[in-house]
Amino acid sequence: DAGVIQSPRHEVTEMGQEVTLRCKPISGHNSLFWYRQTMMRGLELLIYFNNNVPIDDSGMPEDRFSAKMPNASFSTLKIQPSEPRDSAVYFCASSLATGGPYGYTFGSGTRLTVV
Amino acid sequence: AQSVTQLGSHVSVSEGALVLLRCNYSSSVPPYLFWYVQYPNQGLQLLLKYTSAATLVKGINGFEAEFKKSETSFHLTKPSAHMSDAAEYFCAVSDRGGSQGNLIFGKGTKLSVKP
Repeated sequence: DAGVIQSPRHEVTEMGQEVTLRCKPISGHNSLFWYRQTMMRGLELLIYFNNNVPIDDSGMPEDRFSAKMPNASFSTLKIQPSEPRDSAVYFCASSLATGGPYGYTFGSGTRLTVV
Repeated sequence: AQSVTQLGSHVSVSEGALVLLRCNYSSSVPPYLFWYVQYPNQGLQLLLKYTSAATLVKGINGFEAEFKKSETSFHLTKPSAHMSDAAEYFCAVSDRGGSQGNLIFGKGTKLSVKP
């Protein structure tokens, strides 16, 4: 099992550019989560999907952020246009369900720097 | 609504000393409880979880946690700290009522280990 795979590991971009972060969940996991982690705000849940359907996107900070899950094995988080305050580590996690006893498996994260 | 509180954002211990990281939860029924560890520049990984009647749960790397319903607590302990235990630790709670909702994470406790 390769775990949750995120790409890229590091991304440096200029303000105003579009950024796309990618995630491949563990095969068989029905739920996928996007988190953002910063020193100031800690770990924040941005959005989560169940069976490829977005369930709760109330954590998405602004309309500049969007997430898709076109199939069970792939999800993207897009920021357009990016701003310096978007600099953070973005984690993807997957699970057999959104809650219950299963817990989540996290990817290694994408460290985004917007200059 | 469920919530989890981690007492102490930073804990420092000497190598070989007892590690005690505190977590209290708020839930109407005994929930599922989890501890995650995050090493520098890595994602969160599951340390242990409480999902059954066994109140003392053993995890990886010599850590264990005890579920105490009367105190609504799930504190994490390790008898003897190693330098390699320096990391951030997150407590999380999930509703036992079903697979709805999602994991609620605490704000984390950074553990420092002094030589």
